[in-house]
Amino acid sequence: EAGVTQFPSHSVIEKGQTVTLRCDPISGHDNLYWYRRVMGKEIKFLLHFVKESKQDESGMPNNRFLAERTGGTYSTLKVQPAELEDSGVYFCASSRAGMNTEAFFGQGTRLTVV
Amino acid sequence: KNEVEQSPQNLTAQEGEFITINCSYSVGISALHWLQQHPGGGIVSLFMLSSGKKKHGRLIATINIQEKHSSLHITASHPRDSAVYICAVRGSNYQLIWGAGTKLIIKP
Repeated sequence: EAGVTQFPSHSVIEKGQTVTLRCDPISGHDNLYWYRRVMGKEIKFLLHFVKESKQDESGMPNNRFLAERTGGTYSTLKVQPAELEDSGVYFCASSRAGMNTEAFFGQGTRLTVV
Repeated sequence: KNEVEQSPQNLTAQEGEFITINCSYSVGISALHWLQQHPGGGIVSLFMLSSGKKKHGRLIATINIQEKHSSLHITASHPRDSAVYICAVRGSNYQLIWGAGTKLIIKP
């Protein structure tokens, strides 16, 4: 069974540019989560999808961040326009339906905004 | 003060030593997770606990719901155990609240 995969693994962009991160969850996993670790801080929740629906986006920092999950399969997280403080590692996780089901994490995307 | 506190922040030990990493939390939880992150790598879920104790190989995780405290133990530690160990709790919603992590180095 393929794990959670994230693309790209690294991205370096200039301030003001747009970047789109992609997460492919494990097939059949209804729950998909995005998390972020910025330098020196704890990992923070960004948002949660159940299938194609956003269940909780309370962790999204501002309206420069847009997440979608087309057809309940893969998800994208777009940052437009990127700012310096958006630099960090963005993790995606997926799990089967239900709250306390085991979560599987991707390798993360390291985003550097210069 | 973070809702999830881990100690120690950093831990260096010799191969073979018994390791304990602690996690205290201040919110009501439905489950507590212990996760592992290797340098440059992704995150791997080690345990999900809501009560009692779980064991997997040389790893043992315990939780005391009344005291809002959990511990992760590693027996007969090995250099390949070197990683960051993170405690995260899930409350009444689906969000995970993360600790800062404990960086563990096991020297041969």
